[in-house]
Amino acid sequence: AQKITQTQPGMFVQEKEAVTLDCTYDTSDPSYGLFWYKQPSSGEMIFLIYQGSYDQQNATEGRYSLNFQKARKSANLVISASQLGDSAMYFCAMREGSGSGGGADGLTFGKGTHLIIQP
Amino acid sequence: DGGITQSPKYLFRKEGQNVTLSCEQNLNHDAMYWYRQDPGQGLRLIYYSQIVNDFQKGDIAEGYSVSREKKESFPLTVTSAQKNPTAFYLCASSRLGRHTGELFFGEGSRLTVL
Repeated sequence: AQKITQTQPGMFVQEKEAVTLDCTYDTSDPSYGLFWYKQPSSGEMIFLIYQGSYDQQNATEGRYSLNFQKARKSANLVISASQLGDSAMYFCAMREGSGSGGGADGLTFGKGTHLIIQP
Repeated sequence: DGGITQSPKYLFRKEGQNVTLSCEQNLNHDAMYWYRQDPGQGLRLIYYSQIVNDFQKGDIAEGYSVSREKKESFPLTVTSAQKNPTAFYLCASSRLGRHTGELFFGEGSRLTVL
């Protein structure tokens, strides 16, 4: 079974609209972390936002927020007021295990969503 | 500036040749990783290392080899045993201990086997 599922292979959105990118995850570990990365056409992976499994509040970073619904195992990324420069691939990823030595075996990634912002 | 440097950015090789991709970091991170990315796919873990002179296989290690002789360096060799080596390869590093586990990535190496 896939540990990270992103059900939207591609999305077209009008500039200045809000965007929600879906991500569901599967783990039995009570301690885990969820990440979103952006990959422009240049190929670099840019870290956007992080949510820990024990965090009480949804994470926010500028125009990015993470809609964390633990019971539904959902960690959707919300981009407010989209811009042309937001066009890219977006990946949801998970670390299982706690930060104190656990989870050092890297992140598990979803297959990504290709977001295109139209003027 | 601290970061991760991968080289070369583009590499063309003939079938049957081994190739080595370089990855160097000056972030003083303990852990380093190699991922492979194919079109329409997410990143898949090839190998990772948490400490010098030690490394572990990831999900798709067959046909690849690594070494970790220095903390800063984690080169990846794509051997002739790798059946479909054409792909985009990303190196990453992270801190260990009580941290989020965020990965810092290099800019990637695109390997094309002719």
